[in-house]
Amino acid sequence: DVKVTQSSRYLVKRTGEKVFLECVQDMDHENMFWYRQDPGLGLRLIYFSYDVKMKEKGDIPEGYSVSREKKERFSLILESASTNQTSMYLCASYRAMVNYGYTFGSGTRLTVV
Amino acid sequence: QKEVEQNSGPLSVPEGAIASLNCTYSDRGSQSFFWYRQYSGKSPELIMFIYSNGDKEDGRFTAQLNKASQYVSLLIRDSQPSDSATYLCAVKGAAGNKLTFGGGTRVLVKP
Repeated sequence: DVKVTQSSRYLVKRTGEKVFLECVQDMDHENMFWYRQDPGLGLRLIYFSYDVKMKEKGDIPEGYSVSREKKERFSLILESASTNQTSMYLCASYRAMVNYGYTFGSGTRLTVV
Repeated sequence: QKEVEQNSGPLSVPEGAIASLNCTYSDRGSQSFFWYRQYSGKSPELIMFIYSNGDKEDGRFTAQLNKASQYVSLLIRDSQPSDSATYLCAVKGAAGNKLTFGGGTRVLVKP
């Protein structure tokens, strides 16, 4: 089974801190995604990547950046955390040719105080 | 208009009954369709995928696809309290590798 591992299950950070959320997948998937999920707003795509060093903006990229230096790792960076970035963050990976849909990580619940 | 629409629910069904969930999508060129189950506080897990018109069965779950009418549905037979969760419909469009998710339907199975 594909494993998508997110480094932290729960995080509490202070306003203005730089925050790194890490995601690692072990099945050589080309595509990786970062979503946030909030009550009533569903899953919203922040950034995605089709390959190493490639990144594309999703629907809500403001206040975030990403890094993909290795195929298995996709990092989400909150440049200066704000309270409105308190959310559940979900990483997913996907192999297009197989087309079995995304595999999600277990999520990181981030609280910015 | 949202690209993928679902009734938010809650859909309340008695134990042992059939739960019927619907999803409509706007991209007529969409090729692949997925149903995810998400328990409260957990991440989504894939339960079904369907590519061709018609029905696809897997255990107590049946996915139904009608591309002409642009809808996909999920039936849960013999519903159990453990089926209580939010069910997300996801659609892969004609281009690219992104899935577009609906807002989810919350299902409550009452003993």
